[in-house]
Amino acid sequence: AQKITQTQPGMFVQEKEAVTLDCTYDTSDQSYGLFWYKQPSSGEMIFLIYQGSYDEQNATEGRYSLNFQKARKSANLVISASQLGDSAMYFCAMREGRDDKIIFGKGTRLHILP
Amino acid sequence: DSGVTQTPKHLITATGQRVTLRCSPRSGDLSVYWYQQSLDQGLQFLIQYYNGEERAKGNILERFSAQQFPDLHSELNLSSLELGDSALYFCASSVLVDSPYGYTFGSGTRLTVV
Repeated sequence: AQKITQTQPGMFVQEKEAVTLDCTYDTSDQSYGLFWYKQPSSGEMIFLIYQGSYDEQNATEGRYSLNFQKARKSANLVISASQLGDSAMYFCAMREGRDDKIIFGKGTRLHILP
Repeated sequence: DSGVTQTPKHLITATGQRVTLRCSPRSGDLSVYWYQQSLDQGLQFLIQYYNGEERAKGNILERFSAQQFPDLHSELNLSSLELGDSALYFCASSVLVDSPYGYTFGSGTRLTVV
């Protein structure tokens, strides 16, 4: 079974609009961590934001915020005021319990239109 | 520069051959992780080493092997290469098991098998 599901293979968004990238996860652990990474066309993996399962507030990092809905097992990434440089592949990922490895979803390719 | 160094950046080789990918983790990081990213696929976890010992194994083929040396650098060996092994191979490192910053990724080695 898929641990991380990203249902949007691709998205087109007008510059300066807000973007929501969907992510749902599956775990029976009470303690887990959720991550979002960005992969531009150059290929490197860039860490964006982290949410711990016990964090009561949604994580925010600059223009990035994570809309964490624990009961729905949802961890959507919100990018405010999108920019052309936001065009990239975005991966949602999870680390379960005491497990050290991070499992990635298949990604969403975001295109920002001028 | 993320601090994680992967060499070579690009590698082209023929089917049936063997290659070695090298990774130097960020200074102070004890864990090294290897991931494979095939075309239009998410990142697939291969294997993790912590301070020289194998800690976790993912869907790593028997033709693949890895090790971490006393100086903490790691090598991923791929043998009897097939066309389907063409992919971007990432190395990542971390110092803590439960880091809220996930991993630091290298820039990857792009392997093309012809």
